[in-house]
Amino acid sequence: RKEVEQDPGPFNVPEGATVAFNCTYSNSASQSFFWYRQDCRKEPKLLMSVYSSGNEDGRFTAQLNRASQYISLLIRDSKLSDSATYLCVVNSGGYNKLIFGAGTRLAVHP
Amino acid sequence: ETGVTQTPRHLVMGMTNKKSLKCEQHLGHNAMYWYKQSAKKPLELMFVYNFKEQTENNSVPSRFSPECPNSSHLFLHLHTLQPEDSALYLCASSPSGLAGSEDTQYFGPGTRLTVL
Repeated sequence: RKEVEQDPGPFNVPEGATVAFNCTYSNSASQSFFWYRQDCRKEPKLLMSVYSSGNEDGRFTAQLNRASQYISLLIRDSKLSDSATYLCVVNSGGYNKLIFGAGTRLAVHP
Repeated sequence: ETGVTQTPRHLVMGMTNKKSLKCEQHLGHNAMYWYKQSAKKPLELMFVYNFKEQTENNSVPSRFSPECPNSSHLFLHLHTLQPEDSALYLCASSPSGLAGSEDTQYFGPGTRLTVL
């Protein structure tokens, strides 16, 4: 089993749509969780951290379910500029060792 | 954004060449990382340095040799690489890489390496 699993997509959605990405992780001892965004041929950039209580940043909402070892990202009112690959990232403990999922590709069309 | 810089941005090398990748962070961070990203694969952690000391070597072949002369600079020395080593090599830094820390990692733009 992969340490971090994501649906690779692609998700093709029209502008204005709401889209949700899911991620599962295998290490129950993981303490930190993130969503990164990676544009084509660019480096990953932090989108948001994910907290147990859930957190929201504008159109983006992240949820964590520790019992199910499940993380989600909800994007409301999709914009063309949201087109990218979204990486689910989990800290496996130790010296801030991050484990990356393979990413979910999102394509927002007019 | 110039928080983490990498040079060169593109590199083509033969299997017998020796080359080095350079990373510099201007964020005052104490931890630095090398990752490899191959096509259609997740990022793979290669090495971690904390306060200039290597704290993680993720079973990386010896043809990749990291060097961290200070907390701001990180090198990856390459020799006798194979074509399957062609990938995007990303450097990252974080405030501290201490056990249990929840530091965000900030990535450089990467070096796209092609081994012929």
